[in-house]
Amino acid sequence: GEDVEQSLFLSVREGDSSVINCTYTDSSSTYLYWYKQEPGAGLQLLTYIFSNMDMKQDQRLTVLLNKKDKHLSLRIADTQTGDSAIYFCAEIPSYNTDKLIFGTGTRLQVFP
Amino acid sequence: DTEVTQTPKHLVMGMTNKKSLKCEQHMGHRAMYWYKQKAKKPPELMFVYSYEKLSINESVPSRFSPECPNSSLLNLHLHALQPEDSALYLCASSPSTGGDGYTFGSGTRLTVV
Repeated sequence: GEDVEQSLFLSVREGDSSVINCTYTDSSSTYLYWYKQEPGAGLQLLTYIFSNMDMKQDQRLTVLLNKKDKHLSLRIADTQTGDSAIYFCAEIPSYNTDKLIFGTGTRLQVFP
Repeated sequence: DTEVTQTPKHLVMGMTNKKSLKCEQHMGHRAMYWYKQKAKKPPELMFVYSYEKLSINESVPSRFSPECPNSSLLNLHLHALQPEDSALYLCASSPSTGGDGYTFGSGTRLTVV
């Protein structure tokens, strides 16, 4: 099927780390993405990882990829209130490379 | 220029109106997309244009009509919409299909009354 799963909600204290998890559908997916969406806004690309990588770090963001389990995670270090948003993972599956399939989205709430 | 620009940002239309959403990019991308996003849901693909030709129509009702007049522009023509079509309509582009570099616009929030 085409269900990319994420947990619905995550609440963290400011300054702590956040880990958002994603289970995708196609172990042969070439690119996997993380997008951020603030209320009423469009999608902001945070980072992406190519399928031949296990990890990618970009400032406060660390992406881990486990192809065997089709599991993707996004770690945000030193989480700030401005990180409060909905986070979507997305994949380009090998069976349809014209299509970007989004996960269900995780709402991250950061409290002081 | 690394942006995808969508106009208008907000649109309210009646069920008998005809309106168009516009999307523009100047990054030289050859693939452009329309997505629909309902509240609290992930975006869902509607159409894909590759090299100005329609390559995917995700069984979208004919009251939505896409058009790609050139490699930088993508339109979505709307006619006889229903209230359930109210949503955020997102345009995206990428250098080609299947690769990286997906860039989304900020969307048009459409309300059908």
